[in-house]
Amino acid sequence: NAGVMQNPRHLVRRRGQEARLRCSPMKGHSHVYWYRQLPEEGLKFMVYLQKENIIDESGMPKERFSAEFPKEGPSILRIQQVVRGDSAAYFCASSPPSNGNTIYFGEGSWLTVV
Amino acid sequence: GESVGLHLPTLSVQEGDNSIINCAYSNSASDYFIWYKQESGKGPQFIIDIRSNMDKRQGQRVTVLLNKTVKHLSLQIAATQPGDSAVYFCAEKQYNFNKFYFGSGTKLNVKP
Repeated sequence: NAGVMQNPRHLVRRRGQEARLRCSPMKGHSHVYWYRQLPEEGLKFMVYLQKENIIDESGMPKERFSAEFPKEGPSILRIQQVVRGDSAAYFCASSPPSNGNTIYFGEGSWLTVV
Repeated sequence: GESVGLHLPTLSVQEGDNSIINCAYSNSASDYFIWYKQESGKGPQFIIDIRSNMDKRQGQRVTVLLNKTVKHLSLQIAATQPGDSAVYFCAEKQYNFNKFYFGSGTKLNVKP
């Protein structure tokens, strides 16, 4: 049973480009969470999604960031017009529909903006 | 919003000693807590959890203690091993909500 799969693991973008980060939850999990981690800091909640629905996006920046979790396929975190301050590790986690109290993390996607 | 913080950013211990990592939280409504371990370049791994109706829970070599009166959480690791070297985060949430709040982490260095 594969864990939470994230890709790409490492992504380099120039300022102004777009970054797309993908997350496939664990099998049977329909809840997906995105967290951002700056160097030497903790994880900051960004968004919580269920299939085709954004449940809580209170941690998402108001501009340039968006997330989706379509009926088919992985969840996508999209960052438009990236800036250097977007450089961070982005972690996806998932949980089953019956229990949102234990979430399982992927290995992360490291975004570097040059 | 909620605030979860740690007292010690870095902890160095000798192999074989016991380690204690502390965490303070500010939201008295939080009733579920998890400790995660994060090794360099990897995602957080679940270690142990505790609900607010308990004050102690034990796992394999790890114990979590919860003091709701002072909103304090600790992780005790017995007979610390080099493989325990990592950053440890506490996370808290309200049980029926799906948003976890994480502290800034404590880096544990285990000296051989």
